[in-house]
Amino acid sequence: EDQVTQSPEALRLQEGESSSLNCSYTVSGLRGLFWYRQDPGKGPEFLFTLYSAGEEKEKERLKATLTKKESFLHITAPKPEDSATYLCAVHRGAGNKLTFGGGTRVLVKP
Amino acid sequence: KAGVTQTPRYLIKTRGQQVTLSCSPISGHRSVSWYQQTPGQGLQFLFEYFSETQRNKGNFPGRFSGRQFSNSRSEMNVSTLELGDSALYLCASSLDGTGAEQYFGPGTRLTVT
Repeated sequence: EDQVTQSPEALRLQEGESSSLNCSYTVSGLRGLFWYRQDPGKGPEFLFTLYSAGEEKEKERLKATLTKKESFLHITAPKPEDSATYLCAVHRGAGNKLTFGGGTRVLVKP
Repeated sequence: KAGVTQTPRYLIKTRGQQVTLSCSPISGHRSVSWYQQTPGQGLQFLFEYFSETQRNKGNFPGRFSGRQFSNSRSEMNVSTLELGDSALYLCASSLDGTGAEQYFGPGTRLTVT
């Protein structure tokens, strides 16, 4: 069975204090790893898809990387508006079923 | 392009009742997936429809069902509601069935009393 574990569960940062979120996975035949951001009361917002080990993608202050066992989401010099829950999910097999991790709640204080 | 829309946004039902939720995907997208989100279990996959056919199903009881119409709009139905069905129900829209990016709607908040 696919397993996705995110750590830490919660992260409190000062504005400008860079940090990394971890997503470790056990999946047979990974086809893609997704990162989403979710604000309270809203649906997840798509950030990145990574397909193979060694791949990296960036968007503003966020950078996602992928190895064969885990993915990292690096937040560089975060701002208060980066406060959200960050979710990772894995995709394998046919169709579009995603298996999600429990998320990391990030709070950036000014 | 308009995003994924879900109706209604909020719903309060009583145990034993049934409920139907609706999802309109992004124009041109043919795949719709449904997820349940709760504080205890997180985001869990319910089922996926592609070209009006259910392609994948998660580990939920038969009380949870869905369908997709020819215009790709999808509905999910929950019969004989239980208190534990209270959750945020999210649908995700994707261009096709190859694992491309999935875009989520705002969700329907269902409360069962």
